[in-house]
Order: sequence, then structure tokens, then C-alpha cells
Amino acid sequence: DTGVSQDPRHKITKRGQNVTFRCDPISEHNRLYWYRQTLGQGPEFLTYFQNEAQLEKSRLLSDRFSAERPKGSFSTLEIQRTEQGDSAMYLCASSLVRGRDRGIQYFGAGTRLSVL
Amino acid sequence: QQPVQSPQAVILREGEDAVINCSSSKALYSVHWYRQKHGEAPVFLMILLKGGEQKGHDKISASFNEKKQQSSLYLTASQLSYSGTYFCGTEKGGADGLTFGKGTHLIIQP
Repeated sequence: DTGVSQDPRHKITKRGQNVTFRCDPISEHNRLYWYRQTLGQGPEFLTYFQNEAQLEKSRLLSDRFSAERPKGSFSTLEIQRTEQGDSAMYLCASSLVRGRDRGIQYFGAGTRLSVL
Repeated sequence: QQPVQSPQAVILREGEDAVINCSSSKALYSVHWYRQKHGEAPVFLMILLKGGEQKGHDKISASFNEKKQQSSLYLTASQLSYSGTYFCGTEKGGADGLTFGKGTHLIIQP
């Protein structure tokens, strides 16, 4: 198992464009989380899924953000009409619900978004 | 509410010890510790659960005072590879996203 995989690693876009990021969690991990991290700050929680159900959304997740996990495996995060304030590192994490390692969130390397 | 980490930064010589603290104003279910190097993913170090259960790396120890909602991470005999930013993440329920502190920057000098 190669861990949590995110694609692309870097994305540069112009203000107003839509962008989509993908996250492939560790195989068999039920929970998948999205976080956003800006320079010098800790990650900020955006949303999480248990299997295909989106169970919690932060108030940080404006209407321009949408996340899906259609088959309970990979997830996508879409940002519509991007703004310069959306520039950040978008991190994905996954965890197990049961078992010895339950609750431990393993992070991917992130997608760095730059909005010009 | 964001947990408060202290100190903000610490510089050590290789072989010295360090303690990083994390405190919350809310009752917690768990505290998670991560280390992040520049441009890399946060790496899991330790999870401490309400009730005393702990899971993590053998060479790192931590404590969780449930009454005070405080956790401390103990780094002993530090190595150059310990350099990075340490984050604590807190969880109020058993199925939440984590709320992270602002981090503690650790620099280990040879």
C-alpha cells in the first residue's frame, strides 16, 4: 500500500475558473477527510466522508466548494469560481473505523493551489 | 476552538530533550500529534484517547490530562531528523475532523 495519494500536486489557475482535486485513500479506509492549510498555519478541517456518506462539513466550506465520494473509494473536491483567497494546500487524509489503528488519520502530500 | 500550542518555536542541539504542549478549552475525546516538514504531508506520531489508550511510535511519548484538557509531547535525545513543525489536533467526539493548533517549530542543530 502506497498511502494516501493526491492529484495533481500543484495547480495554478486564474480567478474565476473551476478546479477539481482527487484523493485516493489508503485501501479499505472507511473515512476520508479534506483539510486546507495556508502558510504558517495548521490544517483546517473542511469535510469528511464515511464510505460514500458526507457526514460533516465545516463552516469554512462555502457554497463554491463541493466534495464527493461516489463509490466510497476515491474522493473529489471541486472549487467553483476560484478566488485568490482559495490559494492554499489542500490535504486529504483517511482512517479506519475499526481495528488497531482506528481513528488514526494518515495524510497525503496535498495539492497546492495557486489562484492568480 | 483552536487548541493552543507552546512554545511557538524551539531550537535544540542534537541529543537534547524538548516538551511541546497543547491545551484546549473544550472537553476532548482525543489528541493527535503530527510532524510536518516543509512541503511534505503531516506524519502521524501519536494518538491519545480519553480513558488512557495511546497509540504511536515507540521512540516518542506523550501524555493527556483529561481533566485539564492538556497534552504534552516529549522528545528525548533529539536527532536531526526530528526537525520540523509539530501540530496537535484535537477531536471532541469520536467521529470528527481534527482541529489543529498553529504548530511548534522545532530546529535541531548538530
